[in-house]
Amino acid sequence: GENVEQHPSTLSVQEGDSAVIKCTYSDSASNYFPWYKQELGKGPQLIIDIRSNVGEKKDQRIAVTLNKTAKHFSLHITETQPEDSAVYFCAASIDDMRFGAGTRLTVKP
Amino acid sequence: NAGVMQNPRHLVRRRGQEARLRCSPMKGHSHVYWYRQLPEEGLKFMVYLQKENIIDESGMPKERFSAEFPKEGPSILRIQQVVRGDSAAYFCASSQADSNYGYTFGSGTRLTVV
Repeated sequence: GENVEQHPSTLSVQEGDSAVIKCTYSDSASNYFPWYKQELGKGPQLIIDIRSNVGEKKDQRIAVTLNKTAKHFSLHITETQPEDSAVYFCAASIDDMRFGAGTRLTVKP
Repeated sequence: NAGVMQNPRHLVRRRGQEARLRCSPMKGHSHVYWYRQLPEEGLKFMVYLQKENIIDESGMPKERFSAEFPKEGPSILRIQQVVRGDSAAYFCASSQADSNYGYTFGSGTRLTVV
């Protein structure tokens, strides 16, 4: 089955700096790569996604890149704000979705 | 349009009791997925269901755990004879078709076994 690895497990940045989270996947048949944000005590919420026929997607301060050859994809958050502090999960999907272990992002004011 | 509804939000059970977790998918969603999350850990896939069918249960423990998604009513995750190690947050997600349309997650059920 699909195996998704995510790094780093924790990330601390100053407000205004950029944050980058990286994931790799094992199954070349995976074709959909979403990113989720989970705040304390809540369920994960989809923030951005990318499909295998696209190399990059941007939505305001958030961007995702995909390298299908290398089987890795990354989340980029620019101009970070304290409210970006949360746990972020990447996922890869064929028939059902498998998640990375998560990255706890802390944005210091 | 209500999101994915899970209940109860919190559930306390004594060792040996049964836990029943319910999930109502978003309107129009016919695919349901259950995940378990231990404190400070990621989301572990358990089971994928469509109406009246289990599509993939490869993440479900072989004993004590079962799931269903009947023709009418919510999806149910049942844990029999709970043990302390079952304490976790259980999240349900639903999607429109297969997972390539993205999941919408519920707020989870936090199970505590005492």
